[in-house]
Amino acid sequence: EIVLTQSPGTLSLSPGERATLSCRASQSIANNFLAWYQQKPGQAPRLLIYGASSRATGIPDRFSGSGSGTDFTLTISRLEPEDFAVYYCQQYGSSPLYSFGQGTKLEIK
Amino acid sequence: QVQLVQSGNEVKEPGASVKVSCKGSGFIFNTYAFSWVRQAPGQGLEWMGLISATNGKTNYAQSFQGRVAMTTDTSTSTAYMELRSLRSDDTAVYYCGRNYNDGSLHPWGQGTLVTVS
Repeated sequence: EIVLTQSPGTLSLSPGERATLSCRASQSIANNFLAWYQQKPGQAPRLLIYGASSRATGIPDRFSGSGSGTDFTLTISRLEPEDFAVYYCQQYGSSPLYSFGQGTKLEIK
Repeated sequence: QVQLVQSGNEVKEPGASVKVSCKGSGFIFNTYAFSWVRQAPGQGLEWMGLISATNGKTNYAQSFQGRVAMTTDTSTSTAYMELRSLRSDDTAVYYCGRNYNDGSLHPWGQGTLVTVS
């Protein structure tokens, strides 16, 4: 069973700074089927990145994804006030078919 | 535009069942699969299972096997998730999401709060 571990649990940064969020898998994720989501309070998650590094439609280019195998990273190059939220990574294809990381809360410093 | 609209919030007693709907629009419904994901208060996301609107095949997470049933009605472009034998720890927001072949989910429904009390 693949377990996704996100770090850090909470990241405190200021607008304009660079954010680096990590997602580590307990086993290699085939085909880089790794996605990232943003969730704001009271809202449904929103797809940011799919296939580890492809931006979803309408997602600003300050969001980028990288990595392969077991180590993946979501980078926000220059934080805007609306970027402060909780971020989840998610894998597809291994047992269980889907799993999510526990989330990283990005908060304003 | 492409969207998924879910049914309204529910309050159920322990032991009862709940059925949540998810209506798609703006795309060809029967060419996709749909996942259900829940989120307990203050907690993370938990995948429950998925159903193909193309052929009705399902894949349920082990923790929900025997207690969940997912169906679709392609004539109304609606997916359904029924959860039986509700317990207090089933209190959560339940989301549907449209599956892509790489497993990403987009878009998501707005969520349905199910309270078991």
